[in-house]
Amino acid sequence: GAVVSQHPSWVICKSGTSVKIECRSLDFQATTMFWYRQFPKQSLMLMATSNEGSKATYEQGVEKDKFLINHASLTLSTLTVTSAHPEDSSFYICSAIVYKYNEQFFGPGTRLTVL
Amino acid sequence: GNSVTQMEGPVTLSEEAFLTINCTYTATGYPSLFWYVQYPGEGLQLLLKATKADDKGSNKGFEATYRKETTSFHLEKGSVQVSDSAVYFCALVHTNAGKSTFGDGTTLTVKP
Repeated sequence: GAVVSQHPSWVICKSGTSVKIECRSLDFQATTMFWYRQFPKQSLMLMATSNEGSKATYEQGVEKDKFLINHASLTLSTLTVTSAHPEDSSFYICSAIVYKYNEQFFGPGTRLTVL
Repeated sequence: GNSVTQMEGPVTLSEEAFLTINCTYTATGYPSLFWYVQYPGEGLQLLLKATKADDKGSNKGFEATYRKETTSFHLEKGSVQVSDSAVYFCALVHTNAGKSTFGDGTTLTVKP
């Protein structure tokens, strides 16, 4: 089956620093990946759609200068949280879509804690 | 726009009880419907899916039938186990958009 990995699985950083999270499709090529944010005991909130070779499409209310997305290859998308603050602490999950199955495959998530 | 409404939780059951988690949706056209399960601290795992009306998705004893006439995709299991304790999300994917729309999630706790 299609496997999506994320790295790191958890990260703790100081306020004001930037953190990069990687999302990789391991055994398939993904032209489209999605980034979600999940607060404790809440549902997934779509942040942006990452398209290989083009700019990401951000959902309303998501700061594109705060959450930088780069989809440099067909198997890798990165999310960089710039100048992180404690309110950015959350669980970030990526997914990749396989259009022929009309199905998304999710990564295991990255827990970000900003001190 | 698309939306998914799930039964509010939390749901607490005894082992071997029957489970139903209701899910209804609003969407144009013919979306695909999914149930995902999330264990504490982990990402989402696909539990089952259905891509067209009257399809039944099933996996690990869980079932859900795509009912277009009632726009529903209720999750059922005949006999739950303690290991089924998790958060369950109903979702739809619209064929053209590719994005998922998720319900709010339902927390299930199964007690021995």
